[in-house]
Amino acid sequence: GQQLNQSPQSMFIQEGEDVSMNCTSSSIFNTWLWYKQDPGEGPVLLIALYKAGELTSNGRLTAQFGITRKDSFLNISASIPSDVGIYFCAGQLTGYSTLTFGKGTMLLVSP
Amino acid sequence: DAGVIQSPRHEVTEMGQEVTLRCKPISGHDYLFWYRQTMMRGLELLIYFNNNVPIDDSGMPEDRFSAKMPNASFSTLKIQPSEPRDSAVYFCASSSDSRETQYFGPGTRLLVL
Repeated sequence: GQQLNQSPQSMFIQEGEDVSMNCTSSSIFNTWLWYKQDPGEGPVLLIALYKAGELTSNGRLTAQFGITRKDSFLNISASIPSDVGIYFCAGQLTGYSTLTFGKGTMLLVSP
Repeated sequence: DAGVIQSPRHEVTEMGQEVTLRCKPISGHDYLFWYRQTMMRGLELLIYFNNNVPIDDSGMPEDRFSAKMPNASFSTLKIQPSEPRDSAVYFCASSSDSRETQYFGPGTRLLVL
């Protein structure tokens, strides 16, 4: 089946630093999604990407849908302590209801 | 909107006992998904429903797991008998359309001793 490789597995950074994480797939997806999971909560959608090459921002977050449709990245600029959590990428194929999730990137931000 | 509601939030039980997890999707959402999250395997889809009908249950680990959706506002995931390896966080999610965002509930943290 499809697999998503998400990296890095974890990051420990200082407040104010920029963060970059990415996701690669063994096969193509038509939609890429980025979720954040706060401790003790369920994942919440941050950004959705629907077109190869698309670059989308949501505040300090920027995500891109790779040209090959097999990868995506998420950048967080000027990190703050509340950015702490686990960030998941997910891919979806057109016509399918299900998502394939990466294993997540745990982000820790030191004040 | 109240969002997806799950209960209980935490469950501790002994091996061999029956466990029932409950989910109320967002009103008007036709799709309901059950996921399991563990450190080793991440987020795995167990089963999903469309208009109360199970569509794909290929992710259900084994016959000890069963899920039902008797109406549009309620679903259950049952484990009988439970085993320690079932310990995980179980999430329910719903969406209004197969192409639309899935909204996750807060999860049920299950510990089987």
